[in-house]
Amino acid sequence: GESVGLHLPTLSVQEGDNSIINCAYSNSASDYFIWYKQESGKGPQFIIDIRSNMDKRQGQRVTVLLNKTVKHLSLQIAATQPGDSAVYFCAENIGGGGADGLTFGKGTHLIIQP
Amino acid sequence: DAGITQSPRYKITETGRQVTLMCHQTWSHSYMFWYRQDLGHGLRLIYYSAAADITDKGEVPDGYVVSRSKTENFPLTLESATRSQTSVYFCASAGQDGNTIYFGEGSWLTVV
Repeated sequence: GESVGLHLPTLSVQEGDNSIINCAYSNSASDYFIWYKQESGKGPQFIIDIRSNMDKRQGQRVTVLLNKTVKHLSLQIAATQPGDSAVYFCAENIGGGGADGLTFGKGTHLIIQP
Repeated sequence: DAGITQSPRYKITETGRQVTLMCHQTWSHSYMFWYRQDLGHGLRLIYYSAAADITDKGEVPDGYVVSRSKTENFPLTLESATRSQTSVYFCASAGQDGNTIYFGEGSWLTVV
């Protein structure tokens, strides 16, 4: 099957700056996307999701943007904090049923510089 | 949070031994999943279950067995462990729509 990919394996930002993590997907049938955060030694943690009938969704300090035309997903984190240091995964689900679970990207390691 | 608990968290075993990783969820979620996470491969689905007594293979099922006699439990068994099964194993669950998956804290397995 088609897989979700990430543009950059590592992203380093200054504390307090905004960060943008990008993700490209190739399956045009994908209708649901999720961003996960994984801290060292822990399981992936749900951050925010978006359905394909939306192009933007906001949470607390996070915004997900979906551009279906170019099959691109991004996660914006505002005013990054040391606790934001983690690996971030995007994931896609094809066709709503969810029976096969999600397809995950490899992850981007976000490093927050003091 | 304690919605999904995995045990053991850390295990070292020898090649050829049988190992069972336990997973318990308290949300009454319909779906449960087992993933393995390896450097260079990301998260890969081993098996999943849509409900009690229903299981299906994922991307990498060889060498693994699962069962789901109760909705809340989804054990993963390595019948004869191999070194290639050294990995971090994540159990996960999802509600009725199966879309949003919530993960446990992981089980680190080393096969020597």
